[in-house]
Amino acid sequence: EVQLVQSGADVKKPGESLRISCKASGYTFISYWITWVRQMPGKGLEWMGRIDPSDSYTDYSPSFQGHVTISVDKSITTAYLQWSSLRASDTAIYYCARMYSNGWPIDSWGQGTLVTVSS
Amino acid sequence: EIVLTQSPGTLSLSPGERATLSCRASQSMSSSYLAWYQQKRGQSPRLIISGASNRATGIPDRFSGTGSGTDFTLTISRLEPDDFALYFCQQYGVSPFTFGPGTAVDIK
Repeated sequence: EVQLVQSGADVKKPGESLRISCKASGYTFISYWITWVRQMPGKGLEWMGRIDPSDSYTDYSPSFQGHVTISVDKSITTAYLQWSSLRASDTAIYYCARMYSNGWPIDSWGQGTLVTVSS
Repeated sequence: EIVLTQSPGTLSLSPGERATLSCRASQSMSSSYLAWYQQKRGQSPRLIISGASNRATGIPDRFSGTGSGTDFTLTISRLEPDDFALYFCQQYGVSPFTFGPGTAVDIK
């Protein structure tokens, strides 16, 4: 069974750093991209970017480029989304998800990680 | 960037009725790369349609997708209580793989 299990909710202050994780199991990790999707409170889905775990190639939405970093650790089949300096506007649920490659839809989603940024 | 627009924003219907949801792209795109996702309150999204018209595994046949070019439609033939949710379209052919803003199907 394909599973993407995300780290738990976190509360941070503006300016702090954060890394959230997404542990994949039940499939060949390097065969599928991991993508991250943001959902702000009461809002829609926003595609942030993706990584190819086979070579760590990343592709970011212009809306998120430079503010977040996506990475993987193949040895533990885990993907990460990190911020070096959080803003209050980063408060959202973040989903990791997998897609086979370009031209394939997202076919499996993590449970989401709620990040709250508040002073 | 391909911008997706969904209409209506909210659809208020009764169980048993037909739901028709629209997704319009800012530029012509291949229908091969248009998906629909369902999101119930407090849950992660779920893939229901890919390639504009292909139902995902386990999705009942009351869900159907059509369209090409810039105009795509998700139809739920007879709404069941479990279908009242948010629906998002997404294009996954050209990065960034943008989502539409969603249509909420709620109980009238």
